[in-house]
Amino acid sequence: SQQGEEDPQALSIQEGENATMNCSYKTSINNLQWYRQNSGRGLVHLILIRSNEREKHSGRLRVTLDTSKKSSSLLITASRAADTASYFCATDPNDYKLSFGAGTTVTVRA
Amino acid sequence: DVKVTQSSRYLVKRTGEKVFLECVQDMDHENMFWYRQDPGLGLRLIYFSYDVKMKEKGDIPEGYSVSREKKERFSLILESASTNQTSMYLCASSFKGGGAGSTDTQYFGPGTRLTVL
Repeated sequence: SQQGEEDPQALSIQEGENATMNCSYKTSINNLQWYRQNSGRGLVHLILIRSNEREKHSGRLRVTLDTSKKSSSLLITASRAADTASYFCATDPNDYKLSFGAGTTVTVRA
Repeated sequence: DVKVTQSSRYLVKRTGEKVFLECVQDMDHENMFWYRQDPGLGLRLIYFSYDVKMKEKGDIPEGYSVSREKKERFSLILESASTNQTSMYLCASSFKGGGAGSTDTQYFGPGTRLTVL
């Protein structure tokens, strides 16, 4: 069963702009992860944020986590054409397993 | 470098055929997973394995079985393929983690797009 839900479903931005997407989940978590999927390919891990962390950075990525609201956001700054992909949040409601949302499709226009 | 490989990128099978999807990882991971991905539904877990010869059902195991005879290999079997099993199938692996409540990063293969006619 899906625990995470991303919002918006789709996002179109100009190259150089920032892209923000959100994830909401239902039950308590140990950590939350974000993954990227390029068209027709497997998922690639981007960043993991633990439940006791509020913000984390990795290159042009910034992730926030608000456990009181059961939500997370992913910000991609200074977007590039190569950032065109689907982005998924994943939570861990059970040991070993992750629950993925349906994803946000991001299109970066040149 | 971490690597998860899947036996085929594209596969076309006929209704009723027995289908084998193979996944191999070279990272000595304990956990392996099979997902299917359909538009608008995200990734849904079919089966996972946390050790050799061990398996657990995921959210949608009906119509599927799995085999894990060796640590590096996890096979998904469609006993009698049906058209509603047309989908993208993704294999993933991860370390067992730091104990209860610790879930590690999953590493994904490139996916197999299966079409059942």
